[in-house]
Amino acid sequence: DVKVTQSSRYLVKRTGEKVFLECVQDMDHENMFWYRQDPGLGLRLIYFSYDVKMKEKGDIPEGYSVSREKKERFSLILESASTNQTSMYLCASSYGTAATNEKLFFGSGTQLSVL
Amino acid sequence: RKEVEQDPGPFNVPEGATVAFNCTYSNSASQSFFWYRQDCRKEPKLLMSVYSSGNEDGRFTAQLNRASQYISLLIRDSKLSDSATYLCVVKHQKVTFGIGTKLQVIP
Repeated sequence: DVKVTQSSRYLVKRTGEKVFLECVQDMDHENMFWYRQDPGLGLRLIYFSYDVKMKEKGDIPEGYSVSREKKERFSLILESASTNQTSMYLCASSYGTAATNEKLFFGSGTQLSVL
Repeated sequence: RKEVEQDPGPFNVPEGATVAFNCTYSNSASQSFFWYRQDCRKEPKLLMSVYSSGNEDGRFTAQLNRASQYISLLIRDSKLSDSATYLCVVKHQKVTFGIGTKLQVIP
């Protein structure tokens, strides 16, 4: 079974802190994604990557950056956390080229609270 | 207009009932369509893909209407374990999720 592992299930940070959310997948998938999920807004794509050292902005990249130094690892970085970044963060991966990425496998999510 | 629109519900139905959800999408060039299921406080998981000719998986039937730009999910003989949020997903260059429709099956 595909396993997508997110480093923390719950995280509490203070405003202005730098936050790292780590995601690792074990199925050699090319594609990796970071979403945030908020009530009434659904899942929104922050950043995605189709290859090592490659990254593309999603729909809401402001306030975030990402790093993909190795194929299996995709990190989301909040340079200076703010209260409006309190959310559930979901990492996902999929197999295939950018044109064919279909089934997404999700990690169990990180509930981030910024105080 | 949102790229993918769903009625958030909740839909409260008795066990054994048949329930249907619709989802509309705005981009006529969308290529692929899916339904994901998300249990409370869990991650989304793929329920089924949606094909142009319609497809069935046990009690679940998915259909696509390209002319009207909507997809549907029909659940027959609802079980308590079907209680979850059902996410409509549409792909055109990137994957876009609807906000989900919450289903609660009542004993």
